Amino acid sequence: DTGVSQDPRHKITKRGQNVTFRCDPISEHNRLYWYRQTLGQGPEFLTYFQNEAQLEKSRLLSDRFSAERPKGSFSTLEIQRTEQGDSAMYLCASSPGTGDGYTFGSGTRLTVV
Amino acid sequence: QQQVKQSPQSLIVQKGGISIINCAYENTAFDYFPWYQQFPGKGPALLIAIRPDVSEKKEGRFTISFNKSAKQFSLHIMDSQPGDSATYFCAAANTGNQFYFGTGTSLTVIP
Repeated sequence: DTGVSQDPRHKITKRGQNVTFRCDPISEHNRLYWYRQTLGQGPEFLTYFQNEAQLEKSRLLSDRFSAERPKGSFSTLEIQRTEQGDSAMYLCASSPGTGDGYTFGSGTRLTVV
Repeated sequence: QQQVKQSPQSLIVQKGGISIINCAYENTAFDYFPWYQQFPGKGPALLIAIRPDVSEKKEGRFTISFNKSAKQFSLHIMDSQPGDSATYFCAAANTGNQFYFGTGTSLTVIP
């Protein structure tokens, strides 16, 4: 598979629980991005990695959110103590870092009840 | 603060017609302007992109027109087809950095 893979596709969780999402980028892409998309809106930037280094974080990324990319391969996004406002589609994208567009995964849809 | 403003919010076009979606930006440091197409339940897919050194780029039925002085760019879909029905997002970026997306346009092409 040459695309960006995200797991799980859907996650329903109770408020206050922790959740973790995984993203497997295109193998030769050194940049990996996390975005959040709510209904009727465009994707909003959360954070990005170049290899294993987290280079930028949005102020949207509260201290309940943490992202890692060990060894510069797959990445995880964890949300602690989920709130109903965290309900959204979480999109992962990767790029070769040469200035071309991203390739997005299909996203993980999170519903906090 | 919305870095990229997109209009219209929704668009209905007859099959064979031309669909036009417009975007405007403020940050003159932006140097990469892609358009993404998104179907329900899927992530956005890159459709076409332009850099500010050209005023127009065409790929098949899709054309981007870019007006640097006005800080505007638009997507034209010629001979629109029902399969083009999707949500379209414009974006702007300073190469290598985060993308700023518009709020999206829901396009419906009527057979």
